[in-house]
Amino acid sequence: ETGVTQTPRHLVMGMTNKKSLKCEQHLGHNAMYWYKQSAKKPLELMFVYNFKEQTENNSVPSRFSPECPNSSHLFLHLHTLQPEDSALYLCASSQSLAHTGELFFGEGSRLTVL
Amino acid sequence: AQSVAQPEDQVNVAEGNPLTVKCTYSVSGNPYLFWYVQYPNRGLQFLLKYITGDNLVKGSYGFEAEFNKSQTSFHLKKPSALVSDSALYFCAVKEDSNYQLIWGAGTKLIIKP
Repeated sequence: ETGVTQTPRHLVMGMTNKKSLKCEQHLGHNAMYWYKQSAKKPLELMFVYNFKEQTENNSVPSRFSPECPNSSHLFLHLHTLQPEDSALYLCASSQSLAHTGELFFGEGSRLTVL
Repeated sequence: AQSVAQPEDQVNVAEGNPLTVKCTYSVSGNPYLFWYVQYPNRGLQFLLKYITGDNLVKGSYGFEAEFNKSQTSFHLKKPSALVSDSALYFCAVKEDSNYQLIWGAGTKLIIKP
């Protein structure tokens, strides 16, 4: 059983759709992250939340909108995406921001934008 | 500027042979170094870390890594490879004063029977 659960695992959407990715962690961690993974590229940090407060927005376009209602749940709302946004979106958590090197990842949501 | 380089896109090793996956880094402060593994259709899993102390660090699944400060390297090693070690391996670094983690582009490890 993974400590970080992401849904859906796969998502196909048109450029005008609105969809959301969900992440839930069962580890009692205080920091949560959204990463974008594209083939043969380093992971791109998108957003960081610490105690449900956003501490990092890594110049992410506004068509990606995060939400963190509590320390266990993280959402990524998607709106009017572009084909180049197709990627694997990974959610991760850590005990605290001091433990950002020891991340627990979900299995990812594979997004395809048509 | 902080950076991580994994110079090999892919490493091929025969089962039973030793394996090395290379990683070099650049930071201005003291480095904290990490290795992660990603199996197909899975998220990343933490393998091992170097913070301070012994330069040889042991981690999960029989992997180890050696920190070399003069060469700014943190290569991942295993004495005897298994077919099940086939996966994507990521090196990452952060400075001790900064929580931002900098990632390499990953190395695909293929272990052939």
